[in-house]
Amino acid sequence: EVQLVQSGAEVKKPGESLKISCRGSGYSFSTYWIAWVRQMPGKGLEWMGIIFPADSDTRYSPSFQGQVTISVDKSTSTAYLQWSSLKASDTAMYYCARRSDGDYWGQGTLVTVSS
Amino acid sequence: DIQMTQSPSSLSASVGDRVTITCRASQGISNYLAWFQQKPGKAPQSLIYAASSLQSGVPSKFSGSGSGTDFTLTISSLQPEDFATYYCQQYNTYPFTFGPGTKVEIK
Repeated sequence: EVQLVQSGAEVKKPGESLKISCRGSGYSFSTYWIAWVRQMPGKGLEWMGIIFPADSDTRYSPSFQGQVTISVDKSTSTAYLQWSSLKASDTAMYYCARRSDGDYWGQGTLVTVSS
Repeated sequence: DIQMTQSPSSLSASVGDRVTITCRASQGISNYLAWFQQKPGKAPQSLIYAASSLQSGVPSKFSGSGSGTDFTLTISSLQPEDFATYYCQQYNTYPFTFGPGTKVEIK
């Protein structure tokens, strides 16, 4: 069974760093793209970027380029989304999804940034 | 970026109704279009990929059509579990983009 399992909810202060994870199982992790999607409270879905685990080829939305870093660890079948300096406006639910067409999704990680 | 629009933004329908949601791309995307269903507090779930292919395990009451710039998602007979928000997404050109969503509510 294909599963994407994301790390737990986080509460952080502005300026802090954060790395959240998405672990894939039940399939050949390296050969499927993994995308990250943001959903701010009460809002729609925003595509952030995507990574191909086999070679770490990464594409970002211009809206998120330079704001986040997407990475992967093939040895643990895990994709990551990280921030070096969080802002209050980063408060959102973050989802990972497999493939360009999002056939499987993680359960989401809620990130709350508040002083 | 390719802009995706959806209409209507919301609709009220009754159980048993046939419902159609439209998605339009600002430029041609061939058939690289996916549809998702999202219920409150839950992760999105894939319904359709490649504009008209049903994702495994998705009931056949859902169907998709279209190519180029205009696409539709149809629910043939609305059931209580179908009340949710529906999103389209193009994956033809980076950055991939989502439509703003269509909320389907109970009449």
